[in-house]
Amino acid sequence: RKEVEQDPGPFNVPEGATVAFNCTYSNSASQSFFWYRQDCRKEPKLLMSVYSSGNEDGRFTAQLNRASQYISLLIRDSKLSDSATYLCVVHSWGKLQFGAGTQVVVTP
Amino acid sequence: GAVVSQHPSRVICKSGTSVKIECRSLDFQATTMFWYRQFPKKSLMLMATSNEGSKATYEQGVEKDKFLINHASLTLSTLTVTSAHPEDSSFYICSARYSGSNEQFFGPGTRLTVL
Repeated sequence: RKEVEQDPGPFNVPEGATVAFNCTYSNSASQSFFWYRQDCRKEPKLLMSVYSSGNEDGRFTAQLNRASQYISLLIRDSKLSDSATYLCVVHSWGKLQFGAGTQVVVTP
Repeated sequence: GAVVSQHPSRVICKSGTSVKIECRSLDFQATTMFWYRQFPKKSLMLMATSNEGSKATYEQGVEKDKFLINHASLTLSTLTVTSAHPEDSSFYICSARYSGSNEQFFGPGTRLTVL
């Protein structure tokens, strides 16, 4: 079983719509959680950390459910520039475990 | 701040040659650097963790004699792919972390193609 699992997508989203997707992780002792964004052939870039109480950063909302071991990301009012692959990242014992990513394609 | 560079950004080489990739932290001292590999449509896989001045710690299944890592200073780590083969073709990304922080700052990656 993979440490971090994500639906690969693609999620095709009309511009202005809302899209949400989840990620599950296997290590219950994981300490911190992140969403990264990766554009094609580029390095991953930190989008936001995920806190236990849930947190928002502009149009992006992240939630963490430790009991069920999943993390979610919601994007409101999608922009064309949101098209990317979103990586779920879990930090455990000094190492980052990456999911394979969820591809989001925002269409005009 | 917290910029990490990698060089080269792209390299094409013949099978059997060795390739060196550099990872530099430009504006901070990186006590720990990480090397990842990413195949198309796959997740980043940690290859090894290197601490300045000590030997790298390799992940299970990663051959230390094939992927030589040197972290000789607080701003530079190198990954040498020795006797490269076509199956080593991949996107290699480094990241760096400074003392007391859990955040990793990623380099722009190096795309290696072995013919």
